Amino acid sequence: NAGVMQNPRHLVRRRGQEARLRCSPMKGHSHVYWYRQLPEEGLKFMVYLQKENIIDESGMPKERFSAEFPKEGPSILRIQQVVRGDSAAYFCASSPRRTGQETQYFGPGTRLLVL
Amino acid sequence: GDSVTQMEGPVTLSEEAFLTINCTYTATGYPSLFWYVQYPGEGLQLLLKATKADDKGSNKGFEATYRKETTSFHLEKGSVQVSDSAVYFCALSDDGGNKLVFGAGTILRVKS
Repeated sequence: NAGVMQNPRHLVRRRGQEARLRCSPMKGHSHVYWYRQLPEEGLKFMVYLQKENIIDESGMPKERFSAEFPKEGPSILRIQQVVRGDSAAYFCASSPRRTGQETQYFGPGTRLLVL
Repeated sequence: GDSVTQMEGPVTLSEEAFLTINCTYTATGYPSLFWYVQYPGEGLQLLLKATKADDKGSNKGFEATYRKETTSFHLEKGSVQVSDSAVYFCALSDDGGNKLVFGAGTILRVKS
């Protein structure tokens, strides 16, 4: 069973460009979570999605950031007009059910560098 | 809101030494508790978890016990190896399962 897949693994953008990060959850998992890890820091929750629905976006910046998880295809985290402060590792996780006891399985991350 | 506090690193140990990484939490309700490990350039891997008070999670020689009375979930290993060098994250999951709340992480360096 393939794990959580993320691409690209590394992404370089210039200020003002758009960044699109993709996440394919584990087979059978319909719950997807996005986290951001700034340098030398822990992971911070951004958004939680279930197929076609955003369940909790309390960690998402109000502007420039959006996320979707369509019926078909991967989940997408989109950052418009990137700034240097967006440079970070972005991790996606998935789980088969929505309960506090459920393990979240993480992908390898996308490391975004904004020049 | 919910929060997790871990001991600051880096922690540097010699091979075969005893390891303790402290983790305490603040949460409403009854969270589940997790330890994740991150190797350089990789994502997080679940190391162990406990879902209720007094549960002990264990894996690969690592152990942690869910202590509700002290709101703690300290990670221990009796004899560390060089291959255990990594960053260790303590985390909690709220009752609703909406998200994990992570500590800042503790860097472990094991010397041969």
